[in-house]
Amino acid sequence: DAGVIQSPRHEVTEMGQEVTLRCKPISGHDYLFWYRQTMMRGLELLIYFNNNVPIDDSGMPEDRFSAKMPNASFSTLKIQPSEPRDSAVYFCASSLMGLGVQETQYFGPGTRLLVL
Amino acid sequence: SQQGEEDPQALSIQEGENATMNCSYKTSINNLQWYRQNSGRGLVHLILIRSNEREKHSGRLRVTLDTSKKSSSLLITASRAADTASYFCATAYYNQGGKLIFGQGTELSVKP
Repeated sequence: DAGVIQSPRHEVTEMGQEVTLRCKPISGHDYLFWYRQTMMRGLELLIYFNNNVPIDDSGMPEDRFSAKMPNASFSTLKIQPSEPRDSAVYFCASSLMGLGVQETQYFGPGTRLLVL
Repeated sequence: SQQGEEDPQALSIQEGENATMNCSYKTSINNLQWYRQNSGRGLVHLILIRSNEREKHSGRLRVTLDTSKKSSSLLITASRAADTASYFCATAYYNQGGKLIFGQGTELSVKP
């Protein structure tokens, strides 16, 4: 398997523009996570899905952020409109649940977002 | 917050020395995991230790878990320059469903 795939790897946009980040999880994994990492706040969990259903979106900063998982092999994280404070590295990760408790998560390479 | 706390925040050592990083957490866990992140890359899973285990080894890595103190340590023996990275602990709690709770990380620098 190629691992978790994210696109684009880098995104530079202007404030107010819509940004869409994409993720393809490892085939067969039933959990998908979106994280954001900044120097100031570290690694933050934004939202996660189980079998394509959003389970916990309490980490989504505000209504400008939305995430979807239309099928088991694809997820998007959308920011509309984007703001400079959204600049960060966004990671997608996937995993298999083991006996009701989270096991190893496999991270993608991340999307480095810069909002000017 | 249930977030793990890591200590130290940064560690600088010479190649060949051992590096020890610590992680503390607040409530009962099912397992604790350690991840490495090289600069500009995603996190990579290193090792998982379950609550009924006390010590685990993987190559030059040794992880211990003390559930009475709610703490874990990661020891890297005979460090190499390639070990330079950030190291994160992550905890899986029984009441957290699918979530892992990540610590803030320890930044390790190994000088050649």
